[in-house]
Amino acid sequence: KAGVTQTPRYLIKTRGQQVTLSCSPISGHRSVSWYQQTPGQGLQFLFEYFSETQRNKGNFPGRFSGRQFSNSRSEMNVSTLELGDSALYLCASSLGGIGTGTAYGYTFGSGTRLTVV
Amino acid sequence: DQQVKQNSPSLSVQEGRISILNCDYTNSMFDYFLWYKKYPAEGPTFLISISSIKDKNEDGRFTVFLNKSAKHLSLHIVPSQPGDSAVYFCAALHQAGTALIFGKGTTLSVSS
Repeated sequence: KAGVTQTPRYLIKTRGQQVTLSCSPISGHRSVSWYQQTPGQGLQFLFEYFSETQRNKGNFPGRFSGRQFSNSRSEMNVSTLELGDSALYLCASSLGGIGTGTAYGYTFGSGTRLTVV
Repeated sequence: DQQVKQNSPSLSVQEGRISILNCDYTNSMFDYFLWYKKYPAEGPTFLISISSIKDKNEDGRFTVFLNKSAKHLSLHIVPSQPGDSAVYFCAALHQAGTALIFGKGTTLSVSS
């Protein structure tokens, strides 16, 4: 089966601009989570969407937002870009159940490398 | 406040020997732990996991040990192979959570 697809793979933006990243989950998966990976902080949880609703949110400023569509595809948006937003943005999809039995089911995409100049 | 800590940024091991990667956590509400392997420019790949009701889980060359009283887990790779060279992330999940909480990773280098 097809994996998690993230587009674009690479992106260069200027400070102050906004950006939209896309994630298509594995077919049948209803949950999409987003993570930011930076050299200093590792992978940090941004938010999680399930059935078009944000179910969980990490500790990021309001400039970071997301949404999920009825086909489970998700987008995340970062407005007023700052140099510190340069990172690898990863999404993970899962069936969406809550609880330890489903933890193994998180599958990650290859990420979008965002560079802010 | 970092809830999952991987205190060794890097580890170098010879091919055929054992690699031991360590992870500590502070939140007693975590009840599921996972290890991911990551190559540059790729997403993390799931390796092995363990529930808090167990103290050991084994899958081929990979074994994860959990010491709940010490809030410590470790990943053992035996024997280590050059293809195991990658960044390894420890992650934890709350009982009713949906967010994986990651450590900062340990870069493993296996030399032949």
